[in-house]
Amino acid sequence: KQEVTQIPAALSVPEGENLVLNCSFTDSAIYNLQWFRQDPGKGLTSLLLIQSSQREQTSGRLNASLDKSSGRSTLYIAASQPGDSATYLCAVRTQGAGNMLTFGGGTRLMVKP
Amino acid sequence: DVKVTQSSRYLVKRTGEKVFLECVQDMDHENMFWYRQDPGLGLRLIYFSYDVKMKEKGDIPEGYSVSREKKERFSLILESASTNQTSMYLCASSPLPGREKLFFGSGTQLSVL
Repeated sequence: KQEVTQIPAALSVPEGENLVLNCSFTDSAIYNLQWFRQDPGKGLTSLLLIQSSQREQTSGRLNASLDKSSGRSTLYIAASQPGDSATYLCAVRTQGAGNMLTFGGGTRLMVKP
Repeated sequence: DVKVTQSSRYLVKRTGEKVFLECVQDMDHENMFWYRQDPGLGLRLIYFSYDVKMKEKGDIPEGYSVSREKKERFSLILESASTNQTSMYLCASSPLPGREKLFFGSGTQLSVL
């Protein structure tokens, strides 16, 4: 059964710093991996979707990479801002699991002014 | 932009009540999902549907049922609410599998007293 882990569970950085969030998964037979952002008490917003054949995706200050063979993905946030403060979750769609996504527990990010 | 609308932001119900949570999406998506999110347990899939009148159990279907009579609407039913069903409920939708992003509603915080 697929397991997705995100470390650290919480991270606090000063404004302007570049940072990396980590996501690891146990079964490398995946279709794709998504990164989401969740603000407190709200739903999730999809940030980036990486297909299994891709190595990375970029959107503005965000860059997500995927190393399927090692079961790892990273979300790189450049020049962090207080508005980036949120919980970031990754989720994988695993081959043989149909439409089901497996979510990590999330990393709670705080960017201090 | 895709819009996924959950009918209630907050709900308070009594133990034993039958509870209906409604979700509507406006992008003609085939797939719809119900998750619950609990501190320390992350997001867990309750049920999903890939077509009208079709449903599949997720990881934690016990105590829940679903209804999808129309493509745009997916309802989650708590047959007899219990206190351990107090949680944040999140609805999501996506197009057919392959290159999909998952779009979430804002969530319903349900308290069962």
